[in-house]
Amino acid sequence: RKEVEQDPGPFNVPEGATVAFNCTYSNSASQSFFWYRQDCRKEPKLLMSVYSSGNEDGRFTAQLNRASQYISLLIRDSKLSDSATYLCVVNRRGGGNKLTFGTGTQLKVEL
Amino acid sequence: GAVVSQHPSWVICKSGTSVKIECRSLDFQATTMFWYRQFPKQSLMLMATSNEGSKATYEQGVEKDKFLINHASLTLSTLTVTSAHPEDSSFYICSARNLAGGAYEQYFGPGTRLTVT
Repeated sequence: RKEVEQDPGPFNVPEGATVAFNCTYSNSASQSFFWYRQDCRKEPKLLMSVYSSGNEDGRFTAQLNRASQYISLLIRDSKLSDSATYLCVVNRRGGGNKLTFGTGTQLKVEL
Repeated sequence: GAVVSQHPSWVICKSGTSVKIECRSLDFQATTMFWYRQFPKQSLMLMATSNEGSKATYEQGVEKDKFLINHASLTLSTLTVTSAHPEDSSFYICSARNLAGGAYEQYFGPGTRLTVT
């Protein structure tokens, strides 16, 4: 089983739609969680950290369910510029600063 | 946010040659930098952790003699791919942890696309 699992997509949605991505992780000792965004042939960029209480940043909302080892990202009112691959990232087994990346979920926002 | 640069952005080299990639933290000090590799349609895979002033820690399956890492200062880490072969063609990305930042937040360089012919 992969340490971090995501549905690869692609998800094709119309502009203005609300879309949600899910991610599961296998290491119950994982402590930190993030969503990164990666554009084609570019480096990943931090979108937001994910906190147990859930957190929101503009049109983006992240949720964490530690009991189910499940992370989600919700994008409201999607824009064409949101088209990218969204990476679910957790800190590695044993903690520390090593990050484990999911394979990413590809989002395509269309007119 | 913190800025990390990489050089070169892309490189094409012949099989058997060595290629050096530089990773710099431009506006902060980084005692720890990480080197990743990403093949097409795959996730980033951590290759090694680069520690300033000490030897790098390599992940299982990564040959330390093939991927030489040097972290000589708090702002620079280098990765040298020695005797490169076509299967080493990949997107190499470094990241750095800001000492003054959160414990697990990392900032990524723009990546280096290596093509070995």
